[in-house]
Amino acid sequence: DVKVTQSSRYLVKRTGEKVFLECVQDMDHENMFWYRQDPGLGLRLIYFSYDVKMKEKGDIPEGYSVSREKKERFSLILESASTNQTSMYLCASSLVVGAGGNNEQFFGPGTRLTVL
Amino acid sequence: AQSVTQPDIHITVSEGASLELRCNYSYGATPYLFWYVQSPGQGLQLLLKYFSGDTLVQGIKGFEAEFKRSQSSFNLRKPSVHWSDAAEYFCAVVPNTNAGKSTFGDGTTLTVKP
Repeated sequence: DVKVTQSSRYLVKRTGEKVFLECVQDMDHENMFWYRQDPGLGLRLIYFSYDVKMKEKGDIPEGYSVSREKKERFSLILESASTNQTSMYLCASSLVVGAGGNNEQFFGPGTRLTVL
Repeated sequence: AQSVTQPDIHITVSEGASLELRCNYSYGATPYLFWYVQSPGQGLQLLLKYFSGDTLVQGIKGFEAEFKRSQSSFNLRKPSVHWSDAAEYFCAVVPNTNAGKSTFGDGTTLTVKP
């Protein structure tokens, strides 16, 4: 089974701190994603990566950056955390199969980040 | 750009009753369509997906969904709901020309009454 793990389930940080959220997948997937989930807003894509060292902005990239140095690991970075970044963060990965539709996403359990 | 609408924010059904969760999408062609479920405190799990072919697809946990091109809909159904089905459900679309990047609906929370 595909497994996507996230480094922390719960995290509490102070305003202005630099925050790293780590995600690791064990199925050699090409694509990896970071979403934030807020009540009533569903999942919003922050960044995604389709290959090592490649990244693309999603719908809400402001205030975030990402790093993908190895295929299995995708990190989300909050350079200077703010209270409006308090949220649930979900990592996901998917396998790209040409132009086919086998792009089901596999999700990690999420990290609930609180910024005080 | 594609979009997804889940018109019902919250639905309550009695255990044993039937269920239908609505999903409408906006996209110029037929996208790839997915339903995910999120139990409290957990990540999302795929219930079922539609790529092509038979418009009625079967998924896990007794769920099914029907793709209706004329209505741009992909509604999720279950004939008899169990208390363990209480969760949040997300519909998602992926354009068939940009593999990998999904757009999710805002979700529907299902409550099951005993």
